[in-house]
Amino acid sequence: EAQVTQNPRYLITVTGKKLTVTCSQNMNHEYMSWYRQDPGLGLRQIYYSMNVEVTDKGDVPEGYKVSRKEKRNFPLILESPSPNQTSLYFCASGRQVNTEAFFGQGTRLTVV
Amino acid sequence: TQLLEQSPQFLSIQEGENLTVYCNSSSVFSSLQWYRQEPGEGPVLLVTVVTGGEVKKLKRLTFQFGDARKDSSLHITAAQPGDTGLYLCAGVEDTGGFKTIFGAGTRLFVKA
Repeated sequence: EAQVTQNPRYLITVTGKKLTVTCSQNMNHEYMSWYRQDPGLGLRQIYYSMNVEVTDKGDVPEGYKVSRKEKRNFPLILESPSPNQTSLYFCASGRQVNTEAFFGQGTRLTVV
Repeated sequence: TQLLEQSPQFLSIQEGENLTVYCNSSSVFSSLQWYRQEPGEGPVLLVTVVTGGEVKKLKRLTFQFGDARKDSSLHITAAQPGDTGLYLCAGVEDTGGFKTIFGAGTRLFVKA
């Protein structure tokens, strides 16, 4: 089954404790992206990747890092989480940027 | 950063009525996508439009991309309660990068 898998689905952590949210897709997609979704602000793009070793900033990259060492995985790293990073995070993938089609189930992160 | 203004924000209509949702920008997009999102889930792609003036139909849903690729509309004919949900438009920037910008969404409620 074609899917984008995020882990964990739910996470409560403390300020400053490094964390990684994993994202994996099994469709051999070149394009992957991370978003955060906040009430009243909608979905905002954090980082995106056009292919392996090619990443670029979205609209809200501050406080986040990503890597794309292999095509299927695109982890989101929060080196020092802060409460303002409490949000619902989505990973997405597509064959190309204009065909972005598949979103993961989301990761609800709470930073206290 | 380009902005994508989506309207209306909320829409409550009776079953059988028609409705149109709009996404507008002052900037050009290389493509525009429409998604539907259910509570607790990731957005699901409905359609991608890439050519100015393009019209796509998906059963009772009609999508249009403006001639100048700055705006788009989603028209639903004879809405049904199953159409209830959050509708999102998303445009891929046409400025040399490939950022994706989402509209704030239209929450549609169709009453039986």
